[in-house]
Amino acid sequence: GNSVTQMEGPVTLSEEAFLTINCTYTATGYPSLFWYVQYPGEGLQLLLKATKADDKGSNKGFEATYRKETTSFHLEKGSVQVSDSAVYFCALFLQGGSEKLVFGKGTKLTVNP
Amino acid sequence: EAGVAQSPRYKIIEKRQSVAFWCNPISGHATLYWYQQILGQGPKLLIQFQNNGVVDDSQLPKDRFSAERLKGVDSTLKIQPAKLEDSAVYLCASSLSAAGAGTDTQYFGPGTRLTVL
Repeated sequence: GNSVTQMEGPVTLSEEAFLTINCTYTATGYPSLFWYVQYPGEGLQLLLKATKADDKGSNKGFEATYRKETTSFHLEKGSVQVSDSAVYFCALFLQGGSEKLVFGKGTKLTVNP
Repeated sequence: EAGVAQSPRYKIIEKRQSVAFWCNPISGHATLYWYQQILGQGPKLLIQFQNNGVVDDSQLPKDRFSAERLKGVDSTLKIQPAKLEDSAVYLCASSLSAAGAGTDTQYFGPGTRLTVL
């Protein structure tokens, strides 16, 4: 079946550090890929997405590139801020398949000043 | 633009009791979703409505869970009777398109945290 695997958390970084959160997927076709973010006390928000291979999604300084050859969609940010502290979820959607968003388990990021 | 509203935000009940959650999606959004998020896991889709019809309820435990979306707007999710393993955050989301998720952005509410004792 379709699934998403994220790196285990929690991740703790100092402000201005480089961030990578790994995400790999298993799917029977070519899914659309998403990163959602959940700030404390809030609902999930779409952070970025990519719908086909080699697409790069970007938003708020975060980037992720859809890599078909490695079935990955790693999230990166060059310089994190305290306000980036949140839980990050990688997700996939496969049109014509199960037709639902499938989420990873989430990675909690804490950024210290 | 108002976001997805959910109530209550928190609920504590004893096992075997019943509970109901309410969701008001973003105005004009055709598709509404209910997710269950157990601590330490990602959200899992329970049921998806397109207008007031059910598109997917394959992961809804139908012996105890029910949901409805009257008039294609608000929705309620009910659990009766609740079990300990139902302790989770219940998220409601909506999207504009009547064609389902695809690349259509889902907007999530803040969730209802349910604790079953």
